[in-house]
Amino acid sequence: GAVVSQHPSWVICKSGTSVKIECRSLDFQATTMFWYRQFPKQSLMLMATSNEGSKATYEQGVEKDKFLINHASLTLSTLTVTSAHPEDSSFYICSARREALSTIYFGEGSWLTVV
Amino acid sequence: GQQLNQSPQSMFIQEGEDVSMNCTSSSIFNTWLWYKQDPGEGPVLLIALYKAGELTSNGRLTAQFGITRKDSFLNISASIPSDVGIYFCAGRKAHRDDKIIFGKGTRLHILP
Repeated sequence: GAVVSQHPSWVICKSGTSVKIECRSLDFQATTMFWYRQFPKQSLMLMATSNEGSKATYEQGVEKDKFLINHASLTLSTLTVTSAHPEDSSFYICSARREALSTIYFGEGSWLTVV
Repeated sequence: GQQLNQSPQSMFIQEGEDVSMNCTSSSIFNTWLWYKQDPGEGPVLLIALYKAGELTSNGRLTAQFGITRKDSFLNISASIPSDVGIYFCAGRKAHRDDKIIFGKGTRLHILP
């Protein structure tokens, strides 16, 4: 079964509003989680690394004020897309590192459509 | 940023055929990971490789960590319809390095 869960699976929002996506590690603690964006028929693009108890590390070209990341607990990271625009519509995927197995597991992904 | 060179980009095969895909890089990796992604879902880990030369199987899937640490391959034997999807290789440069780099994926199609 899934060890990393995302919610919601899909969301439609109006342009200008903010949307929050949650990523949870279900049966392990994750000090580090990752957020990716994926366009159709393309690979995953790392947006940021979410660190529990500290600020997220953003990849070059990713606006930290637009994509707010909070990692308040060892099992939850949230991505908030602020003032969403149609071009933010995409498939967002999180992953979490399972320390004991030195392996990274992915969530199911969240489809965001901004209208 | 740096990417892995994954090939082929897409494959069209008959059910029952064996499949082979690979990833190469100009850099050395300490971990190779192979994922499968079905449409509209997140990638699912298939095989993880941690040691140069390591050969690991998971059912009909077999993957190897290249001896040079710059490449890895994934084989699927006796393909079935549910094997359809996108396969991604991913590499990590150090065991403690959380950032993983993805290949562009191999899209597997199975002809009826």
